[in-house]
Amino acid sequence: GAVVSQHPSRVICKSGTSVKIECRSLDFQATTMFWYRQFPKKSLMLMATSNEGSKATYEQGVEKDKFLINHASLTLSTLTVTSAHPEDSSFYICSATEVAGANSPLHFGNGTRLTVT
Amino acid sequence: GENVEQHPSTLSVQEGDSAVIKCTYSDSASNYFPWYKQELGKRPQLIIDIRSNVGEKKDQRIAVTLNKTAKHFSLHITETQPEDSAVYFCAAIETGSARQLTFGSGTQLTVLP
Repeated sequence: GAVVSQHPSRVICKSGTSVKIECRSLDFQATTMFWYRQFPKKSLMLMATSNEGSKATYEQGVEKDKFLINHASLTLSTLTVTSAHPEDSSFYICSATEVAGANSPLHFGNGTRLTVT
Repeated sequence: GENVEQHPSTLSVQEGDSAVIKCTYSDSASNYFPWYKQELGKRPQLIIDIRSNVGEKKDQRIAVTLNKTAKHFSLHITETQPEDSAVYFCAAIETGSARQLTFGSGTQLTVLP
C-alpha cells in the first residue's frame, strides 16, 4: 500500500533554533499534503494544507511565519518550525493524498515528536 | 466549516464485550467518514470507513453505521481484545476542492483482560 515517510521521528532542539520535518510519499504522487499537530491525549489539529507548487493554506490561529511549509515536489513537503520555543513541543504528523477529493484515501506519516528545551 | 463531536472520551470494557463509539457531524454535505485507530506515539491507522450512500459497513469484528438524516455515525467493535486498546478517532470530509479531514476529539478505549 501507499507509504508516507516522515523524518525525523524524534528531535530535541534548543529554544531559538529551527527544526525541519520532512514528509515524503514513497510510491505515489501527493498532490496535497496536510500537517497536523497533536497534544497528549488530544485529537489531531489541522495546521495547514499544502498543495504542490503553491502556497500553503493555514488554519486560523496558526502562524505562517513560524510554521513554514514548502511543497516543492509531488513527493515532498517540509514543515520548518522557526525560532522554536518550549510551547512548540508537540507531536507533528503529516498526511498525503494522491488526488484531492473525497474518494482518495489519506496516508499518514509516523509523526515527529518535537521537544524544545 | 465542519464540526465533529465524539463520545465518549474514555471507554473501558471487559475483554469479549462490545464497544461503541459515537460521532456527530455538522456539515450535511460531508460524504466520507473514516475511523482511525492510534496507538501511543504512532500514526493513525485507518480501520474502516463509510460513504454517505451506505448505511452500514462491516469488517470482521468492526462495523460502522451512518445515519445521514441525524448526521451521526458510530463505530462498533465486537468481541473486544486487549490489542484493541488505543485511541480511536472519527472524522468527516469537508466539502471543497482539497481534502480536509475534520477529526473528532478521540476516544481512549481500554479493554480489560
